[in-house]
Order: sequence, then structure tokens, then C-alpha cells
Amino acid sequence: DAGVTQSPTHLIKTRGQQVTLRCSPKSGHDTVSWYQQALGQGPQFIFQYYEEEERQRGNFPDRFSGHQFPNYSSELNVNALLLGDSALYLCASSPKGSLSYNEQFFGPGTRLTVL
Amino acid sequence: DQQVKQNSPSLSVQEGRISILNCDYTNSMFDYFLWYKKYPAEGPTFLISISSIKDKNEDGRFTVFLNKSAKHLSLHIVPSQPGDSAVYFCAASASTSGTYKYIFGTGTRLKVLA
Repeated sequence: DAGVTQSPTHLIKTRGQQVTLRCSPKSGHDTVSWYQQALGQGPQFIFQYYEEEERQRGNFPDRFSGHQFPNYSSELNVNALLLGDSALYLCASSPKGSLSYNEQFFGPGTRLTVL
Repeated sequence: DQQVKQNSPSLSVQEGRISILNCDYTNSMFDYFLWYKKYPAEGPTFLISISSIKDKNEDGRFTVFLNKSAKHLSLHIVPSQPGDSAVYFCAASASTSGTYKYIFGTGTRLKVLA
């Protein structure tokens, strides 16, 4: 049973460019959340996708957008990259359900460096 | 506005002794709390959780205590082992419209000395 997978593992971009990060949730999970973890900080919630819709969003600008596909996989897109976008981007999946106080399972992350 | 705070960036404990990691929160709407462990180059791994209707949850060597009046929770690891050396994150969640985003603290780096 594969856990949460993310690609690529590392990425280097320059300011102003655009980037797309990908995530496949754990088998049986249909909810995907994205987090940004800057150096020395805890993960910060970007947004969550369920049923191919953005359900909740954290305090991130519109440059950050996402998508969820029918197979529950997800993409995170960041436009007009800034140096401050350099971080580890984590994807987490969880099963749906009204009692979804379940732990979210995290992928290994994508390390984005903006030069 | 840091709603979840881990005021100790690091902690060193001798092997076999108790490790106590602390976490404070400010938002009274939080009703579910979790601890995650993170090794370098890996994503956070779920450790233990607690609902606001409880004040203690135990799983093997790990126990989480919740003091709602003080808005404080702690993770106890007994006995501590060298493999427990990692960064520990406290996270909190408030049920809103059926979605469950986590608010994380900044983490505490635990080092268990052999």
C-alpha cells in the first residue's frame, strides 16, 4: 500500500517563473491538503481539496492555486515565484467522512528553491 | 498571529528518562490536537492525537495530556530512546464546514542521548 507520493523531490526555479508540484494521496483517501514549511517553521496550511473543489484556504495569495483530479491526485501551482516561496511543500491526504478527525498522512515533500 | 506555540525549540534527554514536550494554543475553537514527528528529508509522521472531550490519551510509550482551561497540551515519552530523536510538531484543528485544516507549531527538536 503506497503512502502519499510527491513529485518532484527537488526543484530549482528563478524569480518570476511558475511551478507545478504533484501529489498522489494514500490509497483510500480522497482529501488532499497542501502545506508550506519554511526553514525553522512548522507547516503552514495552504488549501485543501475534496471532490475536486477547494474547500478551505489558508492565508496565501492567489499566486498559489491548485487542482484535484478525478483520481484524487492533486497539483499545486505557484505563479510569479518570489524568493520567499523557497520552502518544503508538503502534501497530506486523509479519508473523508463526517468524523474525519483522522490524522493526515504526509508525503516526503518537494523542496523548492527560488533563486 | 501564532495560534499554536511550542516555546522550546530544542530538548535533550538521557536515554531511558522521560521526555516532555509542551505546546500552548490560543484559539478556544480548537477541538482536536495531534503530535507529529519529523525526521530529516521525510514528511511528518503521525504520532498520537487527542480530542477536546478527553484530557489524556495513551499509546505505548507516548501519552498526550490536554489541559483545556490552560490551553496547554504536552507529550510524554517514557522511556525515551535514541530513535525518538527528531523534530516534534504539535498541531491543532477546529472543525469548520467539515474540513479539517491543521495549525502547526514551530516544532521542538528532541535529542535523546545514549
